[in-house]
Amino acid sequence: GAGVSQSPSNKVTEKGKDVELRCDPISGHTALYWYRQSLGQGLEFLIYFQGNSAPDKSGLPSDRFSAERTGGSVSTLTIQRTQQEDSAVYLCASSSSGTGALSTDTQYFGPGTRLTVL
Amino acid sequence: AQSVAQPEDQVNVAEGNPLTVKCTYSVSGNPYLFWYVQYPNRGLQFLLKYITGDNLVKGSYGFEAEFNKSQTSFHLKKPSALVSDSALYFCAVRDGAGTYKYIFGTGTRLKVLA
Repeated sequence: GAGVSQSPSNKVTEKGKDVELRCDPISGHTALYWYRQSLGQGLEFLIYFQGNSAPDKSGLPSDRFSAERTGGSVSTLTIQRTQQEDSAVYLCASSSSGTGALSTDTQYFGPGTRLTVL
Repeated sequence: AQSVAQPEDQVNVAEGNPLTVKCTYSVSGNPYLFWYVQYPNRGLQFLLKYITGDNLVKGSYGFEAEFNKSQTSFHLKKPSALVSDSALYFCAVRDGAGTYKYIFGTGTRLKVLA
């Protein structure tokens, strides 16, 4: 079946502009995660959605960052008034994490969106 | 708060030799531990995980990892390295008693020399 997809694969924007990054998780996965991968910084947790529960936004670096997940499927990460330090690869992952029998705790990652802020 | 440390930015090993990539963790509850690999120009892929049970877990591509509770470690190992194992390896932890938030280490670049 299809894996996690992300769009666009590359985004170049000017400082101060808003950007939207999209993630299509694997069908049926209840959990969706956003991470940021900067050179030499590893993966930085941003936000996760689990079913209908309130998202854990504790990793969002500032109020310029927001994310939503519509209908328990597609998610959009929005960065307002982009800054040069926002340049990074943004990764999305989904999993069937949960307490049910289908929970695996294994995350499946998309290919990422490389954001460059000029 | 949970945390993960990968003390080595890079590990070099000769092909055919055993390899170890180190990971230590800190969580308040029971740890759920993971290794992921990122090959050049490819996304992260799951390698193996420890949730409960046998401390030695086996994963993809001949990799294994040993959970050591007393040392709070989860080192990744392989008996005989291949050049194709060269990649970026990430250790991750989740607090089994807490949220579904995963913390990843900063990654270790493994270079296997022919």
